[in-house]
Amino acid sequence: DTGVSQDPRHKITKRGQNVTFRCDPISEHNRLYWYRQTLGQGPEFLTYFQNEAQLEKSRLLSDRFSAERPKGSFSTLEIQRTEQGDSAMYLCASSPNGLRGTEAFFGQGTRLTVV
Amino acid sequence: GENVEQHPSTLSVQEGDSAVIKCTYSDSASNYFPWYKQELGKGPQLIIDIRSNVGEKKDQRIAVTLNKTAKHFSLHITETQPEDSAVYFCAAENFGNEKLTFGTGTRLTIIP
Repeated sequence: DTGVSQDPRHKITKRGQNVTFRCDPISEHNRLYWYRQTLGQGPEFLTYFQNEAQLEKSRLLSDRFSAERPKGSFSTLEIQRTEQGDSAMYLCASSPNGLRGTEAFFGQGTRLTVV
Repeated sequence: GENVEQHPSTLSVQEGDSAVIKCTYSDSASNYFPWYKQELGKGPQLIIDIRSNVGEKKDQRIAVTLNKTAKHFSLHITETQPEDSAVYFCAAENFGNEKLTFGTGTRLTIIP
């Protein structure tokens, strides 16, 4: 399977715990995005990488959230001191270099439930 | 920032009939408009997109139209089939922003 891969698919955690999600983009895609989707809503932009550089962060990304893409390949999204409001689907997407406005390919997402 | 509105929120059509979903956007600088299909428990899947230099694009049973003056775009699905049942999202992007702003989704149900 050469699509965007996310791990884990589901995560249940207790409030206050830290969680980390991983995203493996389509190889050779230099752009990687994280989005968050709550029930009944469209995905909301969180942050974006061009290779290893994090170029933009949404104000939705509080200081409890951190994302990395150390070698310009896979990315991790960490949430510290989780809160119930963090419960959502976290989606990763990648797109190729070149013409802007090229399609973003999404992974299956990681569904986080904070109890 | 960009704001995308999508209507209707739910839509039921008889199998074989056509379905139309409409979106409006606020940022006149937006120039890329994709449509995604999301099935339960899965990530969004791109089904068609259109750029601002084109007014209409068609791919088999799916078509998208864009009116830049009015700042709205629409998805048309003809000869609907049960497998078309899903949630559909429109989105808009300004090349300078490098991020998609999504609508709130339309749950499409095809009635056999």
